[in-house]
Amino acid sequence: DVKVTQSSRYLVKRTGEKVFLECVQDMDHENMFWYRQDPGLGLRLIYFSYDVKMKEKGDIPEGYSVSREKKERFSLILESASTNQTSMYLCASSKTGLPEAFFGQGTRLTVV
Amino acid sequence: TQLLEQSPQFLSIQEGENLTVYCNSSSVFSSLQWYRQEPGEGPVLLVTVVTGGEVKKLKRLTFQFGDARKDSSLHITAAQPGDTGLYLCAGDPQTGANNLFFGTGTRLTVIP
Repeated sequence: DVKVTQSSRYLVKRTGEKVFLECVQDMDHENMFWYRQDPGLGLRLIYFSYDVKMKEKGDIPEGYSVSREKKERFSLILESASTNQTSMYLCASSKTGLPEAFFGQGTRLTVV
Repeated sequence: TQLLEQSPQFLSIQEGENLTVYCNSSSVFSSLQWYRQEPGEGPVLLVTVVTGGEVKKLKRLTFQFGDARKDSSLHITAAQPGDTGLYLCAGDPQTGANNLFFGTGTRLTVIP
């Protein structure tokens, strides 16, 4: 069974903290994505990567950075967490040439 | 950003009723996917439609891709409480990029 695994289901952090969200996929997919999901706004793309050490900005990259040192792992970093980054974060992966995305279970991040 | 609008945004129906959810855009897509997301989980792929006019059936769910590949619909026959969830459509643009554009979702509640 294919799998995308996010390191935490729930996370509570303080304003100003550096936050790491980890995502691992076991499908040998080239592409990996980070989205945030907010009520009424749908899924918004933060960053994506189509190869190791490659990254592309999505629609809302401000306040975030990413790291992809290995093909199976894609990390989202909040350099200095703020309350407006409280959200559901979803990681996904896909194979180049195929449109289907496979999602992790999500990380619900609360910044207080 | 290519906009995908879903309607209705919320839908609450009785078990056994039929319903249709719509996904519309002014952009043309190479393919379109439908996902279902349950509370606290990531979206799970239901189907991909590729050809204009294509109809796919998944048990009580019928998916149709518009002739011009700009819109899609999801019809559920005899809805059951297990169909409750957030339904998301996602379009694969014709740009060669590997990222999808997601609709804002339709939250369906089926009341027993």
